[in-house]
Amino acid sequence: GENVEQHPSTLSVQEGDSAVIKCTYSDSASNYFPWYKQELGKRPQLIIDIRSNVGEKKDQRIAVTLNKTAKHFSLHITETQPEDSAVYFCAAKDRFQKLVFGTGTRLLVSP
Amino acid sequence: NAGVTQTPKFQVLKTGQSMTLQCAQDMNHNSMYWYRQDPGMGLRLIYYSASEGTTDKGEVPNGYNVSRLNKREFSLRLESAAPSQTSVYFCASSEVLGGQGGIYGYTFGSGTRLTVV
Repeated sequence: GENVEQHPSTLSVQEGDSAVIKCTYSDSASNYFPWYKQELGKRPQLIIDIRSNVGEKKDQRIAVTLNKTAKHFSLHITETQPEDSAVYFCAAKDRFQKLVFGTGTRLLVSP
Repeated sequence: NAGVTQTPKFQVLKTGQSMTLQCAQDMNHNSMYWYRQDPGMGLRLIYYSASEGTTDKGEVPNGYNVSRLNKREFSLRLESAAPSQTSVYFCASSEVLGGQGGIYGYTFGSGTRLTVV
């Protein structure tokens, strides 16, 4: 089945810096890749997603890139702010229409 | 429009006790899921229901059972709780788009923090 690996597990940046989180997946049939943000004690919330027919998608300070050949996708956050501090999860949709999640990245943005 | 509603929010059980976690969605989604979240292990799928009347095992189904009561409701039951089932449980729902669309992103409930002592 699908396997998703996520790196790094923790990431500390200064406010205003960029942050990049990377994920790899194993099933070449996967074609949908969402990213979730989870604040402490809260539910995961979808922040951006990308389908396999595009290579990049942007939404203000957040962007996701996808390399189908290498089977990896990345989340890019520019001009980070303290409120970006959270745990971020990547996921890939498997061939049975279920999401398989990475193990999460704890992002800490220091003022 | 409440989205996905889970109850209870917190629960402490003794080893061997049973309980049912309730989940309901009002978005008319076909698919529903139960995940558990443990530190450093992300979200792992316990069971899912692709549509009303069907249920399937996920990655970590042992010790759990589910019921898709109707399109809105999907419950998770622990028959004999064990300390290893201490976790945060999330219910989620999604819609399946036709053709190449696949599923849309999940909507999660607020979670149930379960402690088994």
